[in-house]
Amino acid sequence: DQQVKQNSPSLSVQEGRISILNCDYTNSMFDYFLWYKKYPAEGPTFLISISSIKDKNEDGRFTVFLNKSAKHLSLHIVPSQPGDSAVYFCAASAFNNDMRFGAGTRLTVKP
Amino acid sequence: DGGITQSPKYLFRKEGQNVTLSCEQNLNHDAMYWYRQDPGQGLRLIYYSQIVNDFQKGDIAEGYSVSREKKESFPLTVTSAQKNPTAFYLCASTEGVAGANVLTFGAGSRLTVL
Repeated sequence: DQQVKQNSPSLSVQEGRISILNCDYTNSMFDYFLWYKKYPAEGPTFLISISSIKDKNEDGRFTVFLNKSAKHLSLHIVPSQPGDSAVYFCAASAFNNDMRFGAGTRLTVKP
Repeated sequence: DGGITQSPKYLFRKEGQNVTLSCEQNLNHDAMYWYRQDPGQGLRLIYYSQIVNDFQKGDIAEGYSVSREKKESFPLTVTSAQKNPTAFYLCASTEGVAGANVLTFGAGSRLTVL
């Protein structure tokens, strides 16, 4: 049972444009959401997070939006840079510290 | 520097053999996790532990076993009962047992069954 879903396995954007990565979840007990970035043969690294009491969190070029009623969150990267090319994982956790990940979206930013 | 060390980085196993993947952290984190990554399937939770001598099954615990005898160590044994063990295994940890926590990951261990 996939509680966190990333329905787009890949996304390609031009350098300087906006990248929008989407994530849906099914478990209403999730109260904290995170995005991780992963390069091949490495562990994921934390990028940005949002608590369920907020609907937006911004950190430089990265913004995460949360729509609790739709159980949907998205990551916006503006402007996109070639160094942003990686696999992005959406993750969600509940009060019991059980963190679940989506399948990932491979972002390619073309120069 | 604080972090998570996974070893070995690459491991080859013959069918029918048990293997143990090591995970050590010096971050003083309470909770530790094991995930498995397969192409197109993201990270799937195998086991997690919130405190010493206690652990819970994740979504795909069958064929795996863990122990948490020390706070800093959370080894994963891939048993011969695991039918498709070839994968990239990631260990992670986080401080605290509830609330908003960021996972810190190790560099991973790639297991290949010959």
